[in-house]
Amino acid sequence: GAGVSQSPSNKVTEKGKDVELRCDPISGHTALYWYRQRLGQGLEFLIYFQGNSAPDKSGLPSDRFSAERTGESVSTLTIQRTQQEDSAVYLCASSFPSGGNKNIQYFGAGTRLSVL
Amino acid sequence: RKEVEQDPGPFNVPEGATVAFNCTYSNSASQSFFWYRQDCRKEPKLLMSVYSSGNEDGRFTAQLNRASQYISLLIRDSKLSDSATYLCVVLDNTNAGKSTFGDGTTLTVKP
Repeated sequence: GAGVSQSPSNKVTEKGKDVELRCDPISGHTALYWYRQRLGQGLEFLIYFQGNSAPDKSGLPSDRFSAERTGESVSTLTIQRTQQEDSAVYLCASSFPSGGNKNIQYFGAGTRLSVL
Repeated sequence: RKEVEQDPGPFNVPEGATVAFNCTYSNSASQSFFWYRQDCRKEPKLLMSVYSSGNEDGRFTAQLNRASQYISLLIRDSKLSDSATYLCVVLDNTNAGKSTFGDGTTLTVKP
């Protein structure tokens, strides 16, 4: 089975533009996470979906960030009016909340965003 | 204070050495615990889950101390290929699935 897929793998954009990042989780994984990792730093939790619902959006850094998930599958993270401080690798992970591999997060390779 | 804290290192050890990492967490409601490994410019990958009774996988041993709110990772007989950043992860299933990663401990194993 395929792993978590993220697209694009790299994105270069100009300050002020909007960007949309996509995550395809492992089939059947109901939980989906977004993280941001700046160069040389740890993972910053952004948002968690259980199914199509995100119970807590307080991890999103500002109102320029939004995320949605449809069909309990694909998720998109949208950053509006990008700033240079948004430059980072955006990682997506999915997991299944029960069973032997309960809550083990499997990561995609990330989208490397560079805002010029 | 960060919710999950790790000694950033770096830990520089010779091949064959035994090295231990600790991780402390502040949320007593945390329910699931993991160690992940992240190689340079790569995504994190699961190393092992951490269970209350402690668990071992080959050269790796993980332990959880709920009373003191820390988890540990012991690596025996270090290999060059163990060089990476080790991340501890704490999951709070009661808080909207919030998942918190430590900033990682960097290990370099030298010949």
